[in-house]
Amino acid sequence: DQQVKQNSPSLSVQEGRISILNCDYTNSMFDYFLWYKKYPAEGPTFLISISSIKDKNEDGRFTVFLNKSAKHLSLHIVPSQPGDSAVYFCAASDPSNSGYALNFGKGTSLLVTP
Amino acid sequence: EPEVTQTPSHQVTQMGQEVILRCVPISNHLYFYWYRQILGQKVEFLVSFYNNEISEKSEIFDDQFSVERPDGSNFTLKIRSTKLEDSAMYFCASSESGIQPQHFGDGTRLSIL
Repeated sequence: DQQVKQNSPSLSVQEGRISILNCDYTNSMFDYFLWYKKYPAEGPTFLISISSIKDKNEDGRFTVFLNKSAKHLSLHIVPSQPGDSAVYFCAASDPSNSGYALNFGKGTSLLVTP
Repeated sequence: EPEVTQTPSHQVTQMGQEVILRCVPISNHLYFYWYRQILGQKVEFLVSFYNNEISEKSEIFDDQFSVERPDGSNFTLKIRSTKLEDSAMYFCASSESGIQPQHFGDGTRLSIL
């Protein structure tokens, strides 16, 4: 049961341009969303989060947008750098679950080319 | 920057044997989690732990699994009788509170032969 979907398995972007990674969710109870970056042989690294009371959150080169009516969020990276090449995971949390379990998407592999 | 550490990085075990995966969460964090990622699949939640008890567990976390915080720093996942399908990367995570971001360790690759 895929409650969090990342429909693009991969994305290639030129250095300096914008990278846009997309994520859709089906569970309307989700109210906290996170993006993680993962390099091979490492664990997921937290990037940025957003709660459902906001529609945008910005941290440096990273901005997350949330469209609750469309059940869609996106991560923008501007400008993209070669070091951003990694797998990006979208994750969501349902507050009705007392354990704060994160539901992950399958990830999008981003390649930033010089 | 504080980080979650996991040992061992790779564990090879015969099917049917018990295995214990160890984690040291970030010191001021109060919530602890285990996730797993089977090769080629998404990261899946196993269990969360707060105040010395399980607060949530998934369907994957059956009677073969248990978690423990044996002292003030370690958090362990035990698989009592391993099966071939338990082969996966196991990630430990911790957070200050339930609504704060979870920070992950680099994982333990568990290979069941």
